[in-house]
Amino acid sequence: EADIYQIPRYLVIGTGKKITLECSQTMGHDKMYWYQQDPGMELHLIHYSYGVNSTEKGDLSSESTVSRIRTEHFPLTLESARPSHTSQYLCASSAGTGGSAFFGQGTRLTVV
Amino acid sequence: GDSVTQMEGPVTLSEEAFLTINCTYTATGYPSLFWYVQYPGEGLQLLLKATKADDKGSNKGFEATYRKETTSFHLEKGSVQVSDSAVYFCALSDRGQAGTALIFGKGTTLSVSS
Repeated sequence: EADIYQIPRYLVIGTGKKITLECSQTMGHDKMYWYQQDPGMELHLIHYSYGVNSTEKGDLSSESTVSRIRTEHFPLTLESARPSHTSQYLCASSAGTGGSAFFGQGTRLTVV
Repeated sequence: GDSVTQMEGPVTLSEEAFLTINCTYTATGYPSLFWYVQYPGEGLQLLLKATKADDKGSNKGFEATYRKETTSFHLEKGSVQVSDSAVYFCALSDRGQAGTALIFGKGTTLSVSS
């Protein structure tokens, strides 16, 4: 059983608020990812990290930021939420190169 | 760059029917290939994987064979069940490029009726 957790599962927040989506894994994986999943189910990579103090932007332009201060923790922050940020956010982790990724259950964010 | 193309859905089948979901890929290195499944309201779960040419991944009655000559990794199941209704994603991780994130296809929705 994979051990990767996302908090919260569901979040409804007002426009302009700052929010942080939490993601933690207990598997010691070096790589972590954030994907945004649209209603058509397609997954878009928005951020990834190869290890502590390493972060990169993904293919989809995003107004969010991430940090990787500890191996197990990869939070995603929106400084000012907008309705266009309404989506499902999936966090994942993997080990090494070419390894399987394990996913959290996702955070469904609604900005009103 | 690397990419994954999978057949568009939705795929609608009756229980006990045969399932094929096509997936092809392009990669510059030596990819590992994966199928993930997503049930409603959940994250993605690894269904099966293959790490080199001619490898066959299998799990829960699902199978997929890594075909380098056709750059394909089609998902098959001989007899689907209602509980298989979900969204299926084909993905690759290119081992030739250190640290490359997983690249996913757009997903195929499977609906199985009794």
